Amino acid sequence: EVHLVESGGGLVQPGGSLRLSCAASGFNFKTYAMNWVRQAPGKGLEWVSVISSTGDRTAYPDSVKGRFTISRDNSKDTLYLQMNGLRAEDTAVYYCAKDLYASGSLIFDDWGQGILVSVSP
Amino acid sequence: IQLTQSPSFLSAFVGDRVTITCRASQGIDTFLAWYHQKPGKAPRLLIYAASTLQSGVPSRFSGSGSGTEFTLTINTLQPDDFGTYYCQQLANYPYGFGQGTKLEIK
Repeated sequence: EVHLVESGGGLVQPGGSLRLSCAASGFNFKTYAMNWVRQAPGKGLEWVSVISSTGDRTAYPDSVKGRFTISRDNSKDTLYLQMNGLRAEDTAVYYCAKDLYASGSLIFDDWGQGILVSVSP
Repeated sequence: IQLTQSPSFLSAFVGDRVTITCRASQGIDTFLAWYHQKPGKAPRLLIYAASTLQSGVPSRFSGSGSGTEFTLTINTLQPDDFGTYYCQQLANYPYGFGQGTKLEIK
């Protein structure tokens, strides 16, 4: 059974930084692309980033490009999201999501439970 | 590409047949997925490639459409089907979601 567990969330001031981690188990982590998806309180879903199975290709929407960096350690079955220059509008529950394919289809077939990031003075 | 779901809110009885529509602002072939989210939980993939049922999803769920108009149909609605349904386009960056359809069981 696929298991994804996020950690590293919390309260941070505007302009601050935070690093999220996602520990994966139950599948061959290094053969799948991985993603981060977020959901602001009471709002819909927003894709945040994708990384290919080997980690050589990444993509971001304009809303986080240049501020967020996705990475992975296939030897530790762990996904990361480094978030810098945080803004109030980044406040959301962040989900780690497994991709259906290695290359990054952005079809999210398994999700973590989510972790809250709050950006406030 | 903008996705518009209709209706935004839906109330139905157990046993009903329910249809949710997702319209894309431009053609996306069949690059569309559907998700179901219950309050306080992570979303769950139901359908991808517009009509392919994800493994483990009950067969009462089905998807159809191509181009700009898509539908998610739930046959014989069950109590566990309450929550919010989202469509997602996979054709063009930034791969956005619809605004969601909240389904209430009467």
